Amino acid sequence: DVQLMQSGAEVKKPGESLRISCKTSGYTFNSYWIGWVRQMPGKGLEWVGIVYPDDSDTRYSPSFQGQVTISADKSISTAYLEWSSLKASDSAMYFCVRRDSGWFLDFWGHGTLITVSS
Amino acid sequence: EKVMTQSPATLSVSPGDRATLSCRASQSVYSNLAWYQQKPGQAPRLLIYSASTRATGVPARFSGSGSGAEFNLTISSLQSEDFAVYYCLQYKNWAELTFGGGTKVEIK
Repeated sequence: DVQLMQSGAEVKKPGESLRISCKTSGYTFNSYWIGWVRQMPGKGLEWVGIVYPDDSDTRYSPSFQGQVTISADKSISTAYLEWSSLKASDSAMYFCVRRDSGWFLDFWGHGTLITVSS
Repeated sequence: EKVMTQSPATLSVSPGDRATLSCRASQSVYSNLAWYQQKPGQAPRLLIYSASTRATGVPARFSGSGSGAEFNLTISSLQSEDFAVYYCLQYKNWAELTFGGGTKVEIK
C-alpha cells in the first residue's frame, strides 16, 4: 500500500528555521512527483510546490517561490519542506501529496501542523 | 493563473437527498479536474479524477461531470458519512495546480 508518513507537529518562534519530512513507502519513490499543500486554520487548500525525486527538478507556486524550499532524498524515499526564517503567517497544516502519472494528486499524508508564535 | 470558483460555499442537504456541487474554471482546463472530500481533522481524499472517473473504492453515488470550464460533482443520495467539505482541483498546468475554495455539505 502507498503510504506517506509525515513528521510530527512543530511549535516554533518567528525567525527560526524548520524542515518537515514526508517518508514514503509502497511505491517507487523516484518515479512520481511529490508535492506539498498548505491549509491555514479554517481555510481551503493551497498548492505550494512539487519535486521530482529522480532528478530533484522542483517547481513552486508563485505565492511560495522564495518562501520555502522543497527537496527529496532518494536514498530514504523522503521529501522535505523547509523554511529558513519562519513567520507567524506560516502557521498552518501542511500535507505532502503524491502526483499520479495522470497529473492529479492521489495519495496524501496525514498532515504536519506548524505553529509559529512568539 | 487559473482561478477555480466553487459554488455554493455551503450546501444544506437532508440525508437521502441529491446534492450537486459546482466548480468553474477561469479558462478551459479540458478534463484535467479532480474532486476531493475532506472531513474535519483528516487529509483530503481523492474522489474523482479526469472530471468523471471515480477513484478506487469510491462509492457509485459519487459522480463527476463536465469538461472545459464547467464541472459538477453529484452525490446521488447523501449518507451521513458524506457530510464534509469538497474541493475541486485543476491540474491542466501540472506545475501550478489550483484548488477551488471548497463547498461545505452540511446536514439540513
